[in-house]
Amino acid sequence: DAGVTQSPTHLIKTRGQQVTLRCSPKSGHDTVSWYQQALGQGPQFIFQYYEEEERQRGNFPDRFSGHQFPNYSSELNVNALLLGDSALYLCASSPAGAGRYGDTDTQYFGPGTRLTVL
Amino acid sequence: ELKVEQNPLFLSMQEGKNYTIYCNYSTTSDRLYWYRQDPGKSLESLFVLLSNGAVKQEGRLMASLDTKARLSTLHITAAVHDLSATYFCAVDPPGHKYIFGTGTRLKVLA
Repeated sequence: DAGVTQSPTHLIKTRGQQVTLRCSPKSGHDTVSWYQQALGQGPQFIFQYYEEEERQRGNFPDRFSGHQFPNYSSELNVNALLLGDSALYLCASSPAGAGRYGDTDTQYFGPGTRLTVL
Repeated sequence: ELKVEQNPLFLSMQEGKNYTIYCNYSTTSDRLYWYRQDPGKSLESLFVLLSNGAVKQEGRLMASLDTKARLSTLHITAAVHDLSATYFCAVDPPGHKYIFGTGTRLKVLA
């Protein structure tokens, strides 16, 4: 059973460019969340997708957008990159209703994409 | 403001010793999560605590939750080098998604 996968592993971009990161959820999961983790800090919630719609959003600008496909995979797009966007981007998947039906409900995190903006 | 604070931020301890990491949060949350992160790696789920008074143990780690005090603890018993990592707690308050703590960087010395 494959866990959460993300691509690419590493990415280097320059300021002003655009980037797309990809995530495939764990088998049986239909909800995908994205997080940004700056060096030495805890993950910050960007947004969550369920049934191909953005269900919740954290405190991130509109430069951050996403998409979920019918197979539940997801993309994170960041436009007009800034130096401060350099971080580890984590994708996490969970089954619908996670956190409401028992202690097996938790998010499973992918290995992350390390984005460096020069 | 929704805040999750961990104490201490850095912890260096000798093998065989015991210690406790504290996680305080500022809002009501049904549940609390503990994660482990090794350098350059992703997050590994350790515990999910679902109710007041919940206690869970796995190996040398034991987590507890006091929802009235808005406090969770992660207790380390007889630490070993393999436990060296950064530990995060996170809450899941109504209407919000996971809010992570500041992290506690643990280093166990031989």
